[in-house]
Amino acid sequence: EAAVTQSPRSKVAVTGGKVTLSCHQTNNHDYMYWYRQDTGHGLRLIHYSYVADSTEKGDIPDGYKASRPSQENFSLILELASLSQTAVYFCASSGGGAYAEQFFGPGTRLTVL
Amino acid sequence: GDSVTQTEGLVTLTKGLPVMLNCTYQTTYSPFLFWYVQHLNEAPKLLLKSSTDNKRTEHQGFYATLHKSSSSFHLQKSSVQLSDSALYFCALSSSSGSWQLIFGSGTQLTVMP
Repeated sequence: EAAVTQSPRSKVAVTGGKVTLSCHQTNNHDYMYWYRQDTGHGLRLIHYSYVADSTEKGDIPDGYKASRPSQENFSLILELASLSQTAVYFCASSGGGAYAEQFFGPGTRLTVL
Repeated sequence: GDSVTQTEGLVTLTKGLPVMLNCTYQTTYSPFLFWYVQHLNEAPKLLLKSSTDNKRTEHQGFYATLHKSSSSFHLQKSSVQLSDSALYFCALSSSSGSWQLIFGSGTQLTVMP
């Protein structure tokens, strides 16, 4: 069974603070993704990576950075957290290709106060 | 650009009745469509997928047929169960090299006793 884990599972942050969300996969997948889930918007792509030490911008990258130090690990960084970044964040991995299944982690619920 | 539309935000049904959740898409490339299901406080999981025109695909009692002529990939089940209550997302594999999923806004299905 493919496995994607995320930490923390939930976090409360203060406005202007730095937040780091971590993702780890044991699927040996090249592609990793960070999505944001808001009610009424489905999931939207923030950043993705297809190889270690390289990241790419997704559809809504503003206010977020990403880091892929190894094939297994992919982090999402909020340098200056804002109220509008309160959401649930999902990490996913896939082998790449148009028909490849994406395997999602359990999600991180972030609340910015 | 690529897009996915789910017209129903909320569907409430009584157990045993049939259901159809609508999904239409737009893309200029060959379409690869997915349905993901997300139970409360869980990660989205793949339910079924298709890239073959006019071929029915089935999984766990759910089925869908990709119709390229109408750009549709509706999800159906002949008899819903209480355990089917969940959030259902239709998704399109992006035509860009990211292989990201373009998600619809989701349909919350609630099955009543």
